[in-house]
Amino acid sequence: DQQVKQNSPSLSVQEGRISILNCDYTNSMFDYFLWYKKYPAEGPTFLISISSIKDKNEDGRFTVFLNKSAKHLSLHIVPSQPGDSAVYFCAASNLIQGAQKLVFGQGTRLTINP
Amino acid sequence: EPEVTQTPSHQVTQMGQEVILRCVPISNHLYFYWYRQILGQKVEFLVSFYNNEISEKSEIFDDQFSVERPDGSNFTLKIRSTKLEDSAMYFCASQTGGGYGYTFGSGTRLTVV
Repeated sequence: DQQVKQNSPSLSVQEGRISILNCDYTNSMFDYFLWYKKYPAEGPTFLISISSIKDKNEDGRFTVFLNKSAKHLSLHIVPSQPGDSAVYFCAASNLIQGAQKLVFGQGTRLTINP
Repeated sequence: EPEVTQTPSHQVTQMGQEVILRCVPISNHLYFYWYRQILGQKVEFLVSFYNNEISEKSEIFDDQFSVERPDGSNFTLKIRSTKLEDSAMYFCASQTGGGYGYTFGSGTRLTVV
């Protein structure tokens, strides 16, 4: 089941630069997308989300872009900080149902170098 | 900031034994979930729970698994007869609904030996 894919297992970025994490999905029924950050031995922490009626959502240093025709979303972090080093998961869901099952990608390990 | 609390943080059990993983969701949330992550793999949905019943479950959630909300505050996941392949991090989550407030706990690491 590869409905949500993060093709880059790891990414290394210089502090202060932009980090871009990518995610692709195959299920056109998905209409809500989320990014989570995860540290070892902790649960996923919500970062930012976007519904399919938008193509961009911004929250501070984090911006998520959605390209529905390409079934692609990306998370931009500007500027990148050492504390951003973590595993980032994208997740997708279908809001039609009351309970919202999330389908996760495999994660991308982001390392911010000083 | 409200939290989802999970206990214990780490549980070691012998194969074939029953385990109960406990969660205290955020108090005004309506939807409750269990996910798991086997080491090195993606986070996988197990089950969702709303209005005191299961609303959806995955193929993983077979007859060995059950969930309960016994007292209006706790939300438990029971594995009746554990197998080695049940070793994973188990995450509880709760949500207000409508795409908002989806919050995960810090997880229980289950090790089956």
